Amino acid sequence: ERVMTQSPATLSVSPGERATLSCRASQSLGSNLAWYQQKPGQAPRLLIYGASFRATGIPARFSGSGSGTEFTLTISSLQSEDFAVYYCQQYDDWPPGTFGQGTRLEIK
Amino acid sequence: EVQLVESGGGLGQPGGSLRLSCAASGFTFNYYDMNWVRQAPGKGLEWLAYISGSGNTIYYADSVKGRFTISRDNAKNSLFLQMNSLRAEDTAVYFCARKLAIPFGGVIDTWGQGTLVAVSS
Repeated sequence: ERVMTQSPATLSVSPGERATLSCRASQSLGSNLAWYQQKPGQAPRLLIYGASFRATGIPARFSGSGSGTEFTLTISSLQSEDFAVYYCQQYDDWPPGTFGQGTRLEIK
Repeated sequence: EVQLVESGGGLGQPGGSLRLSCAASGFTFNYYDMNWVRQAPGKGLEWLAYISGSGNTIYYADSVKGRFTISRDNAKNSLFLQMNSLRAEDTAVYFCARKLAIPFGGVIDTWGQGTLVAVSS
């Protein structure tokens, strides 16, 4: 089973700045990786799939990159509504679609 | 509007059973594969079960295999999770989740709001 490791656990960034979140896989995934955003008390929301394809309705400030074992989610200019927990999910070895443990993005 | 609404959560006894339901609307339900995903309090996401649009293909996570059963009723646009032999570690918010319509993998593009299951004596 692929193990997904996200870093950092918590990231403090000021509004308007860039945020870079990382996700590492224990084995190569190709491009079979997705990113989700979850706000407190809400369900997750799909942001990115195929490592770099934005889901429907996702703003262009969200971008995904990487392949193999190293992936990055970049938020180019943080808005107040972007402060949340972000999860990566591998689906190369599916089922199960293993999730990372999450990165909490907080206001600096 | 695409919508998934879960129900059936609540307090369950260790060793007992609960049945979760998910009402789908706003899309052609039988066209989509569906999943259940859970989240223990303060923890991350755990995929539990998958069922294809026809209901012919089903997968489970090892943690629930043999105890939980996923099913669907396409005529009623409904997804179900029968949970037996409940354990304290099954305490979580349970999400009904629609699979993104791509040929491969388990990407989830639509989530319900979740229903809380608490297992305690």
